[in-house]
Amino acid sequence: NAGVTQTPKFQVLKTGQSMTLQCAQDMNHNSMYWYRQDPGMGLRLIYYSASEGTTDKGEVPNGYNVSRLNKREFSLRLESAAPSQTSVYFCASSEAGTGKSFRGTDTQYFGPGTRLTVL
Amino acid sequence: AQSVTQLDSQVPVFEEAPVELRCNYSSSVSVYLFWYVQYPNQGLQLLLKYLSGSTLVESINGFEAEFNKSQTSFHLRKPSVHISDTAEYFCAVSDRNTDKLIFGTGTRLQVFP
Repeated sequence: NAGVTQTPKFQVLKTGQSMTLQCAQDMNHNSMYWYRQDPGMGLRLIYYSASEGTTDKGEVPNGYNVSRLNKREFSLRLESAAPSQTSVYFCASSEAGTGKSFRGTDTQYFGPGTRLTVL
Repeated sequence: AQSVTQLDSQVPVFEEAPVELRCNYSSSVSVYLFWYVQYPNQGLQLLLKYLSGSTLVESINGFEAEFNKSQTSFHLRKPSVHISDTAEYFCAVSDRNTDKLIFGTGTRLQVFP
């Protein structure tokens, strides 16, 4: 099993350009997440998806859109990149999902990250 | 709203010395607590978690953490660290109302020979 995979690993954009970060998991997990990691700020949740067809905003959603294409894939789109979006982006997944009895207990599995620089 | 405080941004320590990484949380409801580790240029991976029961939880590589409800803390300890423990450690909290994790700002553990 590959676990959680992310593409690309590195990307440099100019201000105003758009791009999509791809994430896929092969663990049949219900929930998927997008985080950004900035120095001194830990990980902050951008968007998450509790199940196929549903998405919800996290702590820092502005400037981003997401698509839960199917159960395996969850993409993050920057429509008009800004230097403030320079960061390392992590995708994660967990077994949790709507209807599960014990929410909040599941381990999240992380991808290797995408390092994005916006000039 | 939940929050997690990791007061130490960096902890330097010599190999074979003991270490404690501090984590305090703020929540008015019952919580679940996690420690994740991030090795250089990698994603995060779970180190250990507290869900219920015994307040002392252990990982397979010698780390342990104790849930202290009265002090709202979940400090991570290891009696003797190894060079390979050099990494960034994140404390996180969730509760039964959500599957979202709230992360602390991380503590960079640097182990010197």
